[in-house]
Amino acid sequence: GQNIDQPTEMTATEGAIVQINCTYQTSGFNGLFWYQQHAGEAPTFLSYNVLDGLEEKGRFSSFLSRSKGYSYLLLKELQMKDSASYLCAVRFGAQTGANNLFFGTGTRLTVIP
Amino acid sequence: EPEVTQTPSHQVTQMGQEVILRCVPISNHLYFYWYRQILGQKVEFLVSFYNNEISEKSEIFDDQFSVERPDGSNFTLKIRSTKLEDSAMYFCASSEGDNQPQHFGDGTRLSIL
Repeated sequence: GQNIDQPTEMTATEGAIVQINCTYQTSGFNGLFWYQQHAGEAPTFLSYNVLDGLEEKGRFSSFLSRSKGYSYLLLKELQMKDSASYLCAVRFGAQTGANNLFFGTGTRLTVIP
Repeated sequence: EPEVTQTPSHQVTQMGQEVILRCVPISNHLYFYWYRQILGQKVEFLVSFYNNEISEKSEIFDDQFSVERPDGSNFTLKIRSTKLEDSAMYFCASSEGDNQPQHFGDGTRLSIL
């Protein structure tokens, strides 16, 4: 199977910056997605990277290095509502229609006052 | 904003019974997916559907499972002869195109007794 690794838990302070890392096997890589999931709710799309570099979207940024099999999600100006699990999901292969995602176990972020 | 809708939100079924989980993908999306998430575990891919046929399926998606697009709007997952270990949250997702972000519904919590 495709191993996607991310830390299990992180804690950060309101107003601070936090970086959540994700590593994956590089063979067949064809895109990486970050999702936010509040407890008991559906994953919500945050960002998408397929080329190397940084994608910025408001308080959230995501970085990708394909050669290193590495991505991170950067959250700035943390708010209490950012407490959630952050899921790294990777698409492997280029077959049309085969867009299934492989998810990591998620990083549970707790934002404290 | 258009969204994926799933019904029912919670389904309780006796072991051995059949269940049908329903999804209405976003209207202009062409790719449809089912995922499941056992409590406390990661999101797992089940099946992807494109152009009125299954394009990929995981090892989990055995003969017990089937999918159907009975009309132009609905996408269903049928689980025959349910087992205790089928208890999970089942998420439907859809995407507009190849390698586009997948948008998830709120899920159906399936409880097998």
